[in-house]
Amino acid sequence: EAGVAQSPRYKIIEKRQSVAFWCNPISGHATLYWYQQILGQGPKLLIQFQNNGVVDDSQLPKDRFSAERLKGVDSTLKIQPAKLEDSAVYLCASSFLTRNTEAFFGQGTRLTVV
Amino acid sequence: KQEVTQIPAALSVPEGENLVLNCSFTDSAIYNLQWFRQDPGKGLTSLLLIQSSQREQTSGRLNASLDKSSGRSTLYIAASQPGDSATYLCAVNTNAGKSTFGDGTTLTVKP
Repeated sequence: EAGVAQSPRYKIIEKRQSVAFWCNPISGHATLYWYQQILGQGPKLLIQFQNNGVVDDSQLPKDRFSAERLKGVDSTLKIQPAKLEDSAVYLCASSFLTRNTEAFFGQGTRLTVV
Repeated sequence: KQEVTQIPAALSVPEGENLVLNCSFTDSAIYNLQWFRQDPGKGLTSLLLIQSSQREQTSGRLNASLDKSSGRSTLYIAASQPGDSATYLCAVNTNAGKSTFGDGTTLTVKP
């Protein structure tokens, strides 16, 4: 079974530039999550999709971050404009259902804003 | 608001030692709890998922216990090996499907 795919693996941008990350979840997984993980901390949920609907985006900085999940499969997360404090690893995860099944994570995208 | 704490933040042990990692949470109304392993520069690998109705789960040398009433979970690693060196994270999932992670315990097993 193929895992969660993310790209790119690494990205370096200057502050105020924009950036986009892509995630392809495990086939058949209805729930998709985007997390932000700052060095030395646990992942923080940014947004959760159930199929192509948003379940929770309460911690997404909506003035600069946006995300969509096209046709309930792939997802993109965008930051525009980026700030220095956005430097982190952005993790995508998927699960078959929402609550009672395991979440599987991709390798993440390491973003450095200079 | 759910808060998850993992103590200690870092742990170093000699190879072969049995060890316990701790995870505590403030809101006992959880649906399940999941333990993950994270290697440097990598994503998270699921180790064990323990439902709120369960007391423990086992996989190989790993055993996770859950005490909802006291808001605690432990991950027991038997006969530790250098390959167990990684950061271990616990995630608490609520009935509403929301996950909150701890900041992890970084384990180093010395040969």
